Amino acid sequence: NAGVTQTPKFQVLKTGQSMTLQCAQDMNHEYMSWYRQDPGMGLRLIHYSVGAGITDQGEVPNGYNVSRSTTEDFPLRLLSAAPSQTSVYFCASSYRGVYSGANVLTFGAGSRLTVL
Amino acid sequence: AQSVTQLDSHVSVSEGTPVLLRCNYSSSYSPSLFWYVQHPNKGLQLLLKYTSAATLVKGINGFEAEFKKSETSFHLTKPSAHMSDAAEYFCVVSDPDSGGYQKVTFGIGRKLQVIP
Repeated sequence: NAGVTQTPKFQVLKTGQSMTLQCAQDMNHEYMSWYRQDPGMGLRLIHYSVGAGITDQGEVPNGYNVSRSTTEDFPLRLLSAAPSQTSVYFCASSYRGVYSGANVLTFGAGSRLTVL
Repeated sequence: AQSVTQLDSHVSVSEGTPVLLRCNYSSSYSPSLFWYVQHPNKGLQLLLKYTSAATLVKGINGFEAEFKKSETSFHLTKPSAHMSDAAEYFCVVSDPDSGGYQKVTFGIGRKLQVIP
C-alpha cells in the first residue's frame, strides 16, 4: 500500500500565484486533514474532512481552500500565495472513530512550499 | 479547551544514556495521547498511543510512555539512546469535540540530539 501520497514535494511560487497541493490515500480512511508545520509552532490544522462532500475549517484556514469529491483525494488550494504561506504542508488521514479516541493519523511525506 | 505543553527547549543526550521527553496536557475529557516522531525531511510516524487501557504504553524502537492522570503527564522515555533516535518528537492529545469527532492538538515538538 502506498499510504498517503503528497505531490509536489517542493514548490516555489511568486506572491499572488495560485496552486494546488495534491493528497491521495489508498486506505479507505474517512478522515483527511491538512496541516502546516512552522518552526517553533508544531503542526497547525488548516482544513479537514470527515468524508466525501464534507469539509470544515481548522485553526488556520485563511488563504486556503479544500474540497473532497472522493474518499481518496483531498487537494489543498492556495488561492493567492503570500510569503506568510511559506511552510511545510502535511496531509494526514485516519479512520473516524467517534468518541473512540483511538484514531491514528497516517502522514504523507510533506510538501515544502516557498513563496517569494 | 485542550492543550499540550512540551517542556525542555532542546534535549541532548549521549548515545547509550536514557532519554526523557516531557509532555503535559490539559483536557476536559479522558483523552487519547500519542507520541509521533519526525526524522529530517520526513513525515510524522506514530511511536505509541494511549487510549485508556494500560497506563504504561510500549511503542516502537524501545520507546515507552506512562500516562499519569494525577499529573496530567505523558512523558516519553527510552533506556538507552541510539544515534538513529535523533529526530523531532511531538506529543499529541485527542479529544472528542462537540460534534462527536476527534479534535487533535499537537505540541510544538522537541528535537532530540544524540551525541556519539
